[in-house]
Amino acid sequence: GENVEQHPSTLSVQEGDSAVIKCTYSDSASNYFPWYKQELGKGPQLIIDIRSNVGEKKDQRIAVTLNKTAKHFSLHITETQPEDSAVYFCAARAKSQGNLIFGKGTKLSVKP
Amino acid sequence: EPEVTQTPSHQVTQMGQEVILRCVPISNHLYFYWYRQILGQKVEFLVSFYNNEISEKSEIFDDQFSVERPDGSNFTLKIRSTKLEDSAMYFCASDGQGVSEQYFGPGTRLTVT
Repeated sequence: GENVEQHPSTLSVQEGDSAVIKCTYSDSASNYFPWYKQELGKGPQLIIDIRSNVGEKKDQRIAVTLNKTAKHFSLHITETQPEDSAVYFCAARAKSQGNLIFGKGTKLSVKP
Repeated sequence: EPEVTQTPSHQVTQMGQEVILRCVPISNHLYFYWYRQILGQKVEFLVSFYNNEISEKSEIFDDQFSVERPDGSNFTLKIRSTKLEDSAMYFCASDGQGVSEQYFGPGTRLTVT
């Protein structure tokens, strides 16, 4: 089955800097890759996603890139703000299944 | 904006007791899911539900677990005889079809004592 690896597990940046979180997946049939932000005590909130027919997607300060050949996808946050501090999870979904397989999460801390 | 809702937000129960966690998925969604997250760990898939039956389940979803859609809006997860290791956050999620965005509820924190 699918396995998703996520790095780093913790990331600390200064306000205004960029943050990059990387994930790899194992199942070449996976075709949908969402990113979720989870604040303390809350449910995962979908922030951006990418499908396998696209290499990059941007939404204001966040972007996601996908390299299907290498089975890598990454989340890029520019001009980070303290409110970006949270745990970020990547996930993958294979063609034949509806459930998501999650990475272990990255705790992002943005210092003012 | 439509959202997934869950009740209760926190449930405390004694080992061996039955619990029912409730979810109201987004109204026009067709696929429903339960996930759990043990404190500090990643989100793990339990079960998916479509067209009034289970479509996929993980190894975690053993005979102690069951799901039901008792009416047109609610989606429930029942744990028949809770164990200490069932203590976790349980998230309900839904999406409109097999390949679209999946939205999560705020979760139910289950504490088994």
